Formats: sequence, C-alpha cells, structure tokens
Amino acid sequence: GAGVSQSPSNKVTEKGKDVELRCDPISGHTALYWYRQSLGQGLEFLIYFQGNSAPDKSGLPSDRFSAERTGGSVSTLTIQRTQQEDSAVYLCASSFSQGLAGHQFFGPGTRLTVL
Amino acid sequence: SQQGEEDPQALSIQEGENATMNCSYKTSINNLQWYRQNSGRGLVHLILIRSNEREKHSGRLRVTLDTSKKSSSLLITASRAADTASYFCATDAGGTSYGKLTFGQGTILTVHP
Repeated sequence: GAGVSQSPSNKVTEKGKDVELRCDPISGHTALYWYRQSLGQGLEFLIYFQGNSAPDKSGLPSDRFSAERTGGSVSTLTIQRTQQEDSAVYLCASSFSQGLAGHQFFGPGTRLTVL
Repeated sequence: SQQGEEDPQALSIQEGENATMNCSYKTSINNLQWYRQNSGRGLVHLILIRSNEREKHSGRLRVTLDTSKKSSSLLITASRAADTASYFCATDAGGTSYGKLTFGQGTILTVHP
C-alpha cells in the first residue's frame, strides 16, 4: 500500500488479556516508531526500530509492553496482562532513515479499549 | 512526558481569518515539526524547520522558530473550514534521540464557514 497501515483499527479486550497490534510500514522505510495517545498523557513515544540495530525501548511504560520487527518490515506491539490505563490509541510511524530523519509518516492508529 | 506547551489549547475562528498557534519546548533541538490530526487518528506531517532556520513557508503555512526563546509558531493564512483539526508541534532532539519525537499537547482549531 501507499501508506502505513495498522490493524486492527479497534480492539476491545478484557483486563488481564494479552493483545497484539500490528503495523505495516511504508515499503523501503528503515525506521519504525510506536507512539501512544491518551487523554491524560497526550502523545508519547514508546519504541523505535532502525534497520538491524537494537531497538530503543526507552519509552515503554512497563515490562508488560514489548515490540518486535520481523525482517525489517512488519512490527508487532504486544501488551501483556492489559490494564484499564492501557486504553489509548496506538500509533505507528515510519520514515526513510533515522540518520536522515525528516518527517514521519503515521498510520491511522489502533484504538485499544480495556474493559 | 511532554516537551512543552502549546497555546492556545483551543482556537475558534471564521473562514478567511488567520490562525496562529504557538509552541514552547524545554531542551535543545535538532528540528521542530508540525503535524495535523483529524478525528483523533493518524497524524499528517505539515512542515519541518531545522534548528538553524528561522522561518519556513509551505503554501498557506508559515512556521517560525526562535531557538533563543525555545519557541515556534504556526500561522495558517486564509483559513478554510477544512483546516479544522488538532495541530501538534513535535521536537526532535537529535543525537542519540534522533527521530524520537516529543509532542506538545496540541491546539484544537475550529474554522467556522
């Protein structure tokens, strides 16, 4: 596709369940980012991947959050034992290269609701 | 944590008027970017200004950057109803943080036809 895609667009889960959120970046983009947007905290950086380098996980709020990027393309953000405070819109973005970082292209987001 | 503040938090204007939004930040930056968001979903990049630039234009958009005051402004001229959206500034600190954007709280712009 022409842009960053994310799935699912909406996810409702029960407290304590695990969820997986998927991001397909723009083809050829080597940098991939995850952000979270919630009413209380605004837009927060979570994690980024650049090529084959170790990801920068400095924004992950707890060890219940993890992410991987397979083959330098698709990324999955996993939240284990979800809590109500995890409810937010999770946004993925990609860009050509961190080293030449200009602007980022954002996906439409996944709205996560934890009941 | 948020890098800084945006003001106003909300702005309501008539079509044809100009809209000015301001952003302040706390740490030194490599560049500052403005994004637009409709209906609380994906963000769209509007413009990027580097730390050694003072002003940049793109169509009806004009961005200024004052690194001594750690502030930026976004001006939308001749606004249209379709400009109604939330606008966010985002800073890129560069160095080991290169590419990690820190966003402001955003300004909600409403343009009345």
